[in-house]
Amino acid sequence: RKEVEQDPGPFNVPEGATVAFNCTYSNSASQSFFWYRQDCRKEPKLLMSVYSSGNEDGRFTAQLNRASQYISLLIRDSKLSDSATYLCVVNVMGTYKYIFGTGTRLKVLA
Amino acid sequence: DTAVSQTPKYLVTQMGNDKSIKCEQNLGHDTMYWYKQDSKKFLKIMFSYNNKELIINETVPNRFSPKSPDKAHLNLHINSLELGDSAVYFCASSPSGVGAFFGQGTRLTVV
Repeated sequence: RKEVEQDPGPFNVPEGATVAFNCTYSNSASQSFFWYRQDCRKEPKLLMSVYSSGNEDGRFTAQLNRASQYISLLIRDSKLSDSATYLCVVNVMGTYKYIFGTGTRLKVLA
Repeated sequence: DTAVSQTPKYLVTQMGNDKSIKCEQNLGHDTMYWYKQDSKKFLKIMFSYNNKELIINETVPNRFSPKSPDKAHLNLHINSLELGDSAVYFCASSPSGVGAFFGQGTRLTVV
């Protein structure tokens, strides 16, 4: 079983739609969680950290469920520019390791 | 004023050659990484250094040797390149616990 798992997609959604991605992690000692965005042929870029109480940044909302060991990302009012691969990232307590999921591909259609 | 920069951006080389990729960060971070992204787009950690000390070495063939002359630089040397080494190699740095910041990647093609 992979340490961090995501549905690879693609998720094809119309502009303006709301879309949600989930990610599960296997190590219960995981302590820090992030969502990254990667555009085609570019480097991954930090989108947002994920906090235990959930957090929002504009149209993006991230949630963490420690009991079930999953995190989620909700994108409201999707824009064409949101088309990218979204990577779930986990950092295990006491390590410097950032473990990436395989990514979920989002295509926002006009 | 690029934060994490790596060179070269593209590298095409023949099997059996030895090549190096350089990485520098001007963010003042203590920790630097090398990640490999294969053709299936999976991003896998290879090495990490913290203040010039190797702290993560993820079962990478010993043909790959990282070197950190100081905490702002982390280079990757690859000996006897093989076809399977073709991938995008990303350097990253982190101040610890708040996520990693990536360079633009080096696309290595071994022919």
